[in-house]
Amino acid sequence: NAGVTQTPKFQVLKTGQSMTLQCAQDMNHEYMSWYRQDPGMGLRLIHYSVGAGITDQGEVPNGYNVSRSTTEDFPLRLLSAAPSQTSVYFCASSRRGNQPQHFGDGTRLSIL
Amino acid sequence: AQTVTQSQPEMSVQEAETVTLSCTYDTSESDYYLFWYKQPPSRQMILVIRQEAYKQQNATENRFSVNFQKAAKSFSLKISDSQLGDAAMYFCAYIQGAQKLVFGQGTRLTINP
Repeated sequence: NAGVTQTPKFQVLKTGQSMTLQCAQDMNHEYMSWYRQDPGMGLRLIHYSVGAGITDQGEVPNGYNVSRSTTEDFPLRLLSAAPSQTSVYFCASSRRGNQPQHFGDGTRLSIL
Repeated sequence: AQTVTQSQPEMSVQEAETVTLSCTYDTSESDYYLFWYKQPPSRQMILVIRQEAYKQQNATENRFSVNFQKAAKSFSLKISDSQLGDAAMYFCAYIQGAQKLVFGQGTRLTINP
């Protein structure tokens, strides 16, 4: 049972490049979400999904895109990377929104 | 918008002693959930304890317990018999319904041997 799997674990990008952070869960969870964690700050919600085909914005959605075509996968797309998007990104899932969330191991992303 | 505040950026405690981490939140809802998560240096986010707002009884998980004061909108975490493995960042979090999970800024806990 893999839980929540994030790939890659580390990535360096140049300003203006695009990329997709992958997130997959094998627990048949309906609720999935993406967070970013910056030094000295807690996790901030980027986007979330309450089920396949349904997504919504979180606290800091600008510059990011998501889709949820299957229950298992919830990729996060950076459209045009900026240095301000340098952060650690976490994907999480739960059976329902008010249940404890299972987190992936995070992706450390650096934008030069 | 709901907010979660952790007023202690850093705390330290002697091994085997008890420490309490503070958390306050702001909401106009009556039915919601509160969580404490632990993040060790490995960066993993680990659930420590969960509290449903409609339950008056404080949640307990082994050495971890909460003091939930709904009227005061306070949700502190008590760690008894502190162990070296408890050293981590601790985050308080709030969620209402299937909405957005909101985290506090975190408290870094150091355990002194």
